[in-house]
Amino acid sequence: ETGVTQSPTHLIKTRGQQVTLRCSSQSGHNTVSWYQQALGQGPQFIFQYYREEENGRGNFPPRFSGLQFPNYSSELNVNALELDDSALYLCASSKRTSGSYEQYFGPGTRLTVT
Amino acid sequence: TQLLEQSPQFLSIQEGENLTVYCNSSSVFSSLQWYRQEPGEGPVLLVTVVTGGEVKKLKRLTFQFGDARKDSSLHITAAQPGDTGLYLCAGESWEGAQKLVFGQGTRLTINP
Repeated sequence: ETGVTQSPTHLIKTRGQQVTLRCSSQSGHNTVSWYQQALGQGPQFIFQYYREEENGRGNFPPRFSGLQFPNYSSELNVNALELDDSALYLCASSKRTSGSYEQYFGPGTRLTVT
Repeated sequence: TQLLEQSPQFLSIQEGENLTVYCNSSSVFSSLQWYRQEPGEGPVLLVTVVTGGEVKKLKRLTFQFGDARKDSSLHITAAQPGDTGLYLCAGESWEGAQKLVFGQGTRLTINP
């Protein structure tokens, strides 16, 4: 186990609704990244949070937003859900160092949009 | 845009056989990581390779980083049913943010 937890495990929403996914990072890790993994694909980077600020963003629209809290936990919010948002959402925590960059993933939240 | 291509996408072999999975890119990465993912779970880090030409071994798994740090391979010797899973390579990228760029994965099935 990596120590990264995510909630909920599964979620079913209707198109147009809003959703909030939660992540608790591994102890000592100050950076949280979110990824979207569509069925049969590798994860795609959504954005990263460091010191409670967004620190980089992938090719996702503004309706994907996030937060990081002082305890380094994080939320991913998605507004105006679309059918294509159905995917496994992965949170990964890491600690900024000058060395190589290793991320540790949580179990994910499976979101289904109908 | 940095991309990683994995091949093959699907591989089904018999227990005891050897196999190699490839991860290729036209871009240079600071490091490259290999993950294994089980259904319904997040990816689990297997190894990180940093230096061009680096070789790392993890029991029956051998990982190599290309000299130019653009490609990598995973070789499994004497595959076992417990090796079944989705194998993902991911390159460390600094484009826009420090992030991982993933390949699409190799779905490996080892038949007893």
